[in-house]
Amino acid sequence: SQQGEEDPQALSIQEGENATMNCSYKTSINNLQWYRQNSGRGLVHLILIRSNEREKHSGRLRVTLDTSKKSSSLLITASRAADTASYFCATDSFDTGRRALTFGSGTRLQVQP
Amino acid sequence: DTEVTQTPKHLVMGMTNKKSLKCEQHMGHRAMYWYKQKAKKPPELMFVYSYEKLSINESVPSRFSPECPNSSLLNLHLHALQPEDSALYLCASSQDAGHPTSTDTQYFGPGTRLTVL
Repeated sequence: SQQGEEDPQALSIQEGENATMNCSYKTSINNLQWYRQNSGRGLVHLILIRSNEREKHSGRLRVTLDTSKKSSSLLITASRAADTASYFCATDSFDTGRRALTFGSGTRLQVQP
Repeated sequence: DTEVTQTPKHLVMGMTNKKSLKCEQHMGHRAMYWYKQKAKKPPELMFVYSYEKLSINESVPSRFSPECPNSSLLNLHLHALQPEDSALYLCASSQDAGHPTSTDTQYFGPGTRLTVL
């Protein structure tokens, strides 16, 4: 099963609105990362939040991490049509020491102009 | 240079063919990865190379054979594939897979779209 599960699976909003995506995971982690993927393309790293951090900002992105609930959220403020993409959370595994990433199921975001 | 390149962009092959996917990075990264991604699904890890040695093989069928000739290059040799192997194959690299409590940011190539007939 997936280490990370995301919701919603799909999200459609108007330009200018905020978009919030959530990610839940199962094991203890060292850090959690968010990636973006335009249709059929490679993934682009957005932001990394460490297990001892609770919130991080980068431009219009805000990420929160709640390790007690094993969950994270990605907020994109003032969305633009160019933000249309799939967004994935990715976690490593502190328990196993396995430093490869496991990706969540992803949220497909559609921003209507 | 923060780019990971992959060739070819598209590949169509028959089940009896032998082909190779290539990946290259010049960022001095010492970890390189192969992922397989089906439509509307997340990437699934296949192999990890750390310092040119295979460190993770996710029980991938032997018809997929990875190779890391040097620290900048990663190949995936394909032989006797099945139609269900059709997918986007993504290569990624990261700076150092050796830190015991940290997982680095991964940089992805654009992928090779593979179709097996």
